[in-house]
Amino acid sequence: RKEVEQDPGPFNVPEGATVAFNCTYSNSASQSFFWYRQDCRKEPKLLMSVYSSGNEDGRFTAQLNRASQYISLLIRDSKLSDSATYLCVVTYSNSGYALNFGKGTSLLVTP
Amino acid sequence: EAQVTQNPRYLITVTGKKLTVTCSQNMNHEYMSWYRQDPGLGLRQIYYSMNVEVTDKGDVPEGYKVSRKEKRNFPLILESPSPNQTSLYFCATRTSGRDNEQFFGPGTRLTVL
Repeated sequence: RKEVEQDPGPFNVPEGATVAFNCTYSNSASQSFFWYRQDCRKEPKLLMSVYSSGNEDGRFTAQLNRASQYISLLIRDSKLSDSATYLCVVTYSNSGYALNFGKGTSLLVTP
Repeated sequence: EAQVTQNPRYLITVTGKKLTVTCSQNMNHEYMSWYRQDPGLGLRQIYYSMNVEVTDKGDVPEGYKVSRKEKRNFPLILESPSPNQTSLYFCATRTSGRDNEQFFGPGTRLTVL
């Protein structure tokens, strides 16, 4: 069973806060890692890829620890518009690199 | 404009009445797939296609069929829908290669009574 586990939350944080999401995966043959964002009843959209060296895109930082099979997403200076569900995604080569989704972590940023 | 379209966006039907949800993309992507999303279960892959005439089962294929006769289209067929297929369905596409972004359609909300 290919498991991708996330804390469902919800995380309620005030504007300007820093918030971190974690994700663990069980299959060590995992190939690629992503964070997707999903707004209520809308389609998921790619937020960022996750690389072993870590990567940053503005207020967002993603990190991968292959040894611990752990992925993280850090959001700094939270905005109201960051309110969404954040999906941790892992791909495996034996299924045509299909996306395997965690169930998502819900974030609500409040004024 | 690059896009993935699905039709219909909303559908209420009855048990046993065959239906097809269409998916079309204009990005010339090889890889297409169907997911369903259910509360508490997240997104789960139903079927995928790595190219024309090449399809394979995902994690939850029972009760569904697909076809890939043309590169741009990947319809999802429910021959005899049942209430447990009530769900939010997403079509997705990407180019070949493991690191490429997957683009999702807007979703189809299906209710089977």
